[in-house]
Amino acid sequence: KQEVTQIPAALSVPEGENLVLNCSFTDSAIYNLQWFRQDPGKGLTSLLLIQSSQREQTSGRLNASLDKSSGRSTLYIAASQPGDSATYLCAVRDTGNQFYFGTGTSLTVIP
Amino acid sequence: GAGVSQSPRYKVAKRGQDVALRCDPISGHVSLFWYQQALGQGPEFLTYFQNEAQLDKSGLPSDRFFAERPEGSVSTLKIQRTQQEDSAVYLCASSFPGLANEQFFGPGTRLTVL
Repeated sequence: KQEVTQIPAALSVPEGENLVLNCSFTDSAIYNLQWFRQDPGKGLTSLLLIQSSQREQTSGRLNASLDKSSGRSTLYIAASQPGDSATYLCAVRDTGNQFYFGTGTSLTVIP
Repeated sequence: GAGVSQSPRYKVAKRGQDVALRCDPISGHVSLFWYQQALGQGPEFLTYFQNEAQLDKSGLPSDRFFAERPEGSVSTLKIQRTQQEDSAVYLCASSFPGLANEQFFGPGTRLTVL
């Protein structure tokens, strides 16, 4: 079974800093990887999706990379803002239809 | 609608009661997923539909859990004889098959079993 791990579990940074969130997975036979943010009491908002054949995706201040062979993905957030405070989840889709989530990184950006 | 909607948003049930949770996917989305998210954890896969066919129910934790999507659009997750360990947020997601297969999530239903 695919195991997805996110490090760190929690992160607190001052506003303006660049930061990196890490996601690792045990089985490299994946279809795609998706990064989400979750605000307290809310559902998940999709941030970036990387297909297994891709190395990275960018959207605004966010950049996600994928190294399938080593089972790793990173989410880079540039010039962090207080509004970025949320829990960030990565999810790996296997070659079937199952998605496996990590436990998330709780990010706090201090004004 | 513009996004995935779920109802009710909150449900409190006494242990032993049956509950039904509804998901309205994005119009035209063929795939529909149910997840269970315990406090402080990531979502865990429960079941998957493609149109009205339930193709994978391997994540359902017990035979008290039942999901259906009879007309290939709205889906209902039913939990019979609820137990305290069923307390969680139940998330629904939909996607359109294709190159991206990006999932779009609803706001979830928070179930509390007393």
